[in-house]
This record gives sequence, C-alpha cells and structure tokens, in this order.
Amino acid sequence: AQTVTQSQPEMSVQEAETVTLSCTYDTSESNYYLFWYKQPPSRQMILVIRQEAYKQQNATENRFSVNFQKAAKSFSLKISDSQLGDTAMYFCAFMKLRGKLIFGQGTTLQVKP
Amino acid sequence: GAVVSQHPSRVICKSGTSVKIECRSLDFQATTMFWYRQFPKQSLMLMATSNEGSKATYEQGVEKDKFLINHASLTLSTLTVTSAHPEDSSFYICSASRAGQETQYFGPGTRLLVL
Repeated sequence: AQTVTQSQPEMSVQEAETVTLSCTYDTSESNYYLFWYKQPPSRQMILVIRQEAYKQQNATENRFSVNFQKAAKSFSLKISDSQLGDTAMYFCAFMKLRGKLIFGQGTTLQVKP
Repeated sequence: GAVVSQHPSRVICKSGTSVKIECRSLDFQATTMFWYRQFPKQSLMLMATSNEGSKATYEQGVEKDKFLINHASLTLSTLTVTSAHPEDSSFYICSASRAGQETQYFGPGTRLLVL
C-alpha cells in the first residue's frame, strides 16, 4: 500500500523569504503522479503543482517549484518570495495510474509579516 | 478553467434527519467524482468514488447505506447522509476529474452540523 508522509506539522516563514516543505512517499509503482494542494482558511482545496513520475524535470509554477527525487521517493515543495496569502495548510498527495489520491498529514504554513 | 461547486456550503440538521449535498462540475464533464471527509486540522479521508451511471465504490469502513451517493449525470453527484447523528458532523468535500485525466479539482466543501 502506498503511504505519504509529511514530517513537518507546522512551519513559519517571514514574508518575502523562501521555505521548503518536505514530503516522502512509499510505493512499488514505477509510474505515478504527485501533487501539492493548498488549503487556506476558507478550506477550498487548490492545486498548487503536479509532477508526473516519468518526467525527470522538476515542475515549476511561478513562485512554486518542486524537488522530485524519484530514487529517494522525495517530493518537496519550495515557495519563493513568500506572501501572506500563502498562509495555508499544504497537502502532498500521491496517485498511481487510475488510482485514488492518497494524502499526507498536511503541513500548516504561517507566513509572517 | 475547472470549477467545482458544492451546495449547501453549510447545513445544520436535527439528529435522525437526512441531508443531501450536491457537487457540480461547472465547466467540464466529470466522469469520476470523489467524496471526502475532513476533521479539523486533519487530512482528507476518501469516502467513495463515483462514476457516472454506475454504483459508487466505497472505501473500507464507510457505510454505503448511510452515505448514499448518486452520480446521475456528467456534471452532478450527490451525497445523502441518511439518519444523521452528531458523530456525522464534519466537513465534506467533493472533487471531480475529467475523462482520462488524473488531476482532481475540488469543491469548496460543506460543513455539516448535526444537533
């Protein structure tokens, strides 16, 4: 069975600085997808970034980028130039092909002014 | 875009009554919809997966007679909590995905409080 682990329950960062959220996963699949979702206080789940396992290039979306290490089964999220609106709970998620989303426990990020 | 709506956003009901929550994909056809439950400051727990026109697949431990799911069209899925009890109080979130695509788009959630 696949598992996703986020080892940082809470993190904080100063506005305009950079922060990295960690995520590791366990799977025997060779082809799969990885996601980072953001859940702000409104509780609306928002897709931040996705990565296909067969792609070696790390995905990037504006200030958000990932460090995907397939051999190490690691998928960290880097947020550059942090903004107050980035304050949210961040969930790392795994999905095998035609499978279901498996979420990590979440990391609460507080961006401080 | 890929917008998913949920209605109602919050509902309060008396113990023993049934509550229906609607999930709609507004600008795409959703062949598959998912229903999750989330307790405060916890992760999302998948309850069931529904495909248009077929019976939902429930996760282990989820009572299918209590949480009725109907996916009658490519844009609408409903979750009915039957004979609700206080322990059913929670935040329910739906998501939807397009045919052949893996990304799920989430609705804004429904807060259910059973008195």
